[in-house]
Amino acid sequence: EAGVAQSPRYKIIEKRQSVAFWCNPISGHATLYWYQQILGQGPKLLIQFQNNGVVDDSQLPKDRFSAERLKGVDSTLKIQPAKLEDSAVYLCASSSSGHHTDTQYFGPGTRLTVL
Amino acid sequence: DAKTTQPPSMDCAEGRAANLPCNHSTISGNEYVYWYRQIHSQGPQYIIHGLKNNETNEMASLIITEDRKSSTLILPHATLRDTAVYYCIVRPLSNFGNEKLTFGTGTRLTIIP
Repeated sequence: EAGVAQSPRYKIIEKRQSVAFWCNPISGHATLYWYQQILGQGPKLLIQFQNNGVVDDSQLPKDRFSAERLKGVDSTLKIQPAKLEDSAVYLCASSSSGHHTDTQYFGPGTRLTVL
Repeated sequence: DAKTTQPPSMDCAEGRAANLPCNHSTISGNEYVYWYRQIHSQGPQYIIHGLKNNETNEMASLIITEDRKSSTLILPHATLRDTAVYYCIVRPLSNFGNEKLTFGTGTRLTIIP
């Protein structure tokens, strides 16, 4: 089965610019996650969707970050305006849900550099 | 809030068993122990999980102490491709199966030729 797809793989922007990342989860997976991974740290959850509804966005900086999951499939994460500290890898993951030992499958990530 | 403690780095000779320890002394009765790994420039990859019994799959074995306060991930015959950061995570049981994963900084395992 195809894995989680993300694009672009790399993005370089200047501070105060806007950027968007795209994620296509594994077919049939109801739950989608966006993580931020700063160099040298483990991934940190930004937002979690169940179908097209938000389950957890407690760690999403809502003044500059936004995310949507239209029709409960693909998702986009946007940063506007970007700051230097947003330089990180943005990882998308999906899981099928419905079972208590659900496994999350991760995409390759998008590496963002803010200059 | 880090619920697990892992050594920051370890080395292991190729072909030998790699034993990665994890301390989770505050684990609750409804929390599972999960292991993921992250190879350079890739997303994390699920390895194995367990509640209180030892578990084995095609990738690794998980040994959980009887008091559940610590565990060890065992890669029985390490290869160079096992070089990665290994994350030990405690995750609560959920009826929906979508409780978030809280990653720490993990153990950087280097397999030496």
